[in-house]
Amino acid sequence: QKEVEQNSGPLSVPEGAIASLNCTYSDRGSQSFFWYRQYSGKSPELIMFIYSNGDKEDGRFTAQLNKASQYVSLLIRDSQPSDSATYLCAVRNNNNDMRFGAGTRLTVKP
Amino acid sequence: DAGITQSPRYKITETGRQVTLMCHQTWSHSYMFWYRQDLGHGLRLIYYSAAADITDKGEVPDGYVVSRSKTENFPLTLESATRSQTSVYFCASAVAGDSEQFFGPGTRLTVL
Repeated sequence: QKEVEQNSGPLSVPEGAIASLNCTYSDRGSQSFFWYRQYSGKSPELIMFIYSNGDKEDGRFTAQLNKASQYVSLLIRDSQPSDSATYLCAVRNNNNDMRFGAGTRLTVKP
Repeated sequence: DAGITQSPRYKITETGRQVTLMCHQTWSHSYMFWYRQDLGHGLRLIYYSAAADITDKGEVPDGYVVSRSKTENFPLTLESATRSQTSVYFCASAVAGDSEQFFGPGTRLTVL
């Protein structure tokens, strides 16, 4: 079992819809959770981070964390074609070791 | 301009050769990281450094060597390259271990 699991997709949503990206992790001691966006051929860039259970909203993006279920998700409201990218879930454990999921490829169709 | 740079951007080498990938950041970030990205595996941490002269192994350190004599530089050396080390390598830096990591543009390495 991988430490951080994501559905590889592709996930396809129409423009204006809500895109829901999910991630599960195996290390119960994990402290910090990150979502990165990576356009094809480019480097990852941070979208959001979350440390506490619950929801965290930033513009069109909402990160949700449930430590009991070892589950973190990213919701993108009013999806735009420019949101088409691969989304990487990253989990940091106690020794600063960051583990990334393989990523979910999102396509937003106009 | 301030930022994080990697060189070379593309490298082709042969099995058994030594290769060094360079990473330089101008933010004076304490932490620096090396990842490799392969299809189906996502980003995997090779080594990281919390400060100059402090380095630690990540998930996949075998076959790689790092050093950090200066805060701004974090070179990654493949002492004897193998085909399985063909990958895209990303360097990243961060203020702290649990803060946002800023990634360099990547180096695409091909080992023939």
